[in-house]
Amino acid sequence: NAGVTQTPKFRILKIGQSMTLQCAQDMNHNYMYWYRQDPGMGLKLIYYSVGAGITDKGEVPNGYNVSRSTTEDFPLRLELAAPSQTSVYFCASTSGGSSTDTQYFGPGTRLTVL
Amino acid sequence: GQSLEQPSEVTAVEGAIVQINCTYQTSGFYGLSWYQQHDGGAPTFLSYNALDGLEETGRFSSFLSRSDSYGYLLLQELQMKDSASYFCAVRDPTNAGKSTFGDGTTLTVKP
Repeated sequence: NAGVTQTPKFRILKIGQSMTLQCAQDMNHNYMYWYRQDPGMGLKLIYYSVGAGITDKGEVPNGYNVSRSTTEDFPLRLELAAPSQTSVYFCASTSGGSSTDTQYFGPGTRLTVL
Repeated sequence: GQSLEQPSEVTAVEGAIVQINCTYQTSGFYGLSWYQQHDGGAPTFLSYNALDGLEETGRFSSFLSRSDSYGYLLLQELQMKDSASYFCAVRDPTNAGKSTFGDGTTLTVKP
């Protein structure tokens, strides 16, 4: 099992450019998440999905979009990049059961917007 | 909504015991989770309390009291490699998968 994979690992964008951060998991998890983490701060939820075709906004969704066409993949789209979107982005997944709450995280994408 | 509070920093010496607290205000939750994150790395799962009481996993233990809206992570026999950030987290059962993390506690272990 590869677990949760994210690409790319690093990216520099110019203001106004767009990009898609890829996330895939091979654990057949229903729940998937996108977080951003600014330096020295905690994890802020951007978007989440409880299954294919179902997505919902988290705490900081502005400037981002997601889709979930398959159980495995949960890409995050940045439109019109801004310096405020400079951050580390983590994707995570969990089975979603109430008896356990383990979220498995990808290695992260470090994004700089200049 | 959900909010969790943790101390921002804790310092301890090698071999000691340290407790990292997490107080929360939530409308309900499945249980309290703890994650560890080393500098430059991704968070990794440490422990989960679905019920009140103590859960022990090796040198790490976690405690939950729903009546006090309080939990903690206890690290024993501290090692230098335990220097990291520690986050508590909850999921909201009224909103399916929505997850909230605390801002994290940076633990520094000194020789």
